Amino acid sequence: QQQVKQSPQSLIVQKGGISIINCAYENTAFDYFPWYQQFPGKGPALLIAIRPDVSEKKEGRFTISFNKSAKQFSLHIMDSQPGDSATYFCAVHQGGAQKLVFGQGTRLTINP
Amino acid sequence: DAGVTQSPTHLIKTRGQQVTLRCSPKSGHDTVSWYQQALGQGPQFIFQYYEEEERQRGNFPDRFSGHQFPNYSSELNVNALLLGDSALYLCASSFKLLGQMGEKLFFGSGTQLSVL
Repeated sequence: QQQVKQSPQSLIVQKGGISIINCAYENTAFDYFPWYQQFPGKGPALLIAIRPDVSEKKEGRFTISFNKSAKQFSLHIMDSQPGDSATYFCAVHQGGAQKLVFGQGTRLTINP
Repeated sequence: DAGVTQSPTHLIKTRGQQVTLRCSPKSGHDTVSWYQQALGQGPQFIFQYYEEEERQRGNFPDRFSGHQFPNYSSELNVNALLLGDSALYLCASSFKLLGQMGEKLFFGSGTQLSVL
């Protein structure tokens, strides 16, 4: 049972373009929606996160858009740079649970 | 400020053997979680330790066990290794339990375990 579905699996974007990664979930009890960035040989690092009481959160070039009614949230990377090339994971957390449930990941490549 | 440190970085074992992985949490953190990340997949929760007790467990068999020490460091033990246990094992630390003040999980770089 996959609690969060992430798409696309891989994405190639030109430098300066916008990268968009999507996640969909089923359980309306989830209360925290982070995005993690992982470089080869490293562990995931928290990039940005949102709670369901807001529809958008922006930190620098990274924005989360959250659609509660559709049970979807997405990561937008503006002005994508080659250094953004990494694997991105969405995750969900349910209050009271002591774990994050991760999506399958999106391998993002930014071409110079 | 040291982040989450894990040792060893790489490990090769054979089927049936036992392995112990180690983790030191980020300074100021008292909770340690372990995740398994298979190649090309997202991390999967194994279990979490807080106040030296296992607080929650994911869908992993009893061959996976752990321990937390008074200094908050932790060990993950896997017995009777199977080929399918080959993965990157990630340790994550937080302050207190998730849902209170510790939503921010900080991950180490992991231990790459290969079972031959």
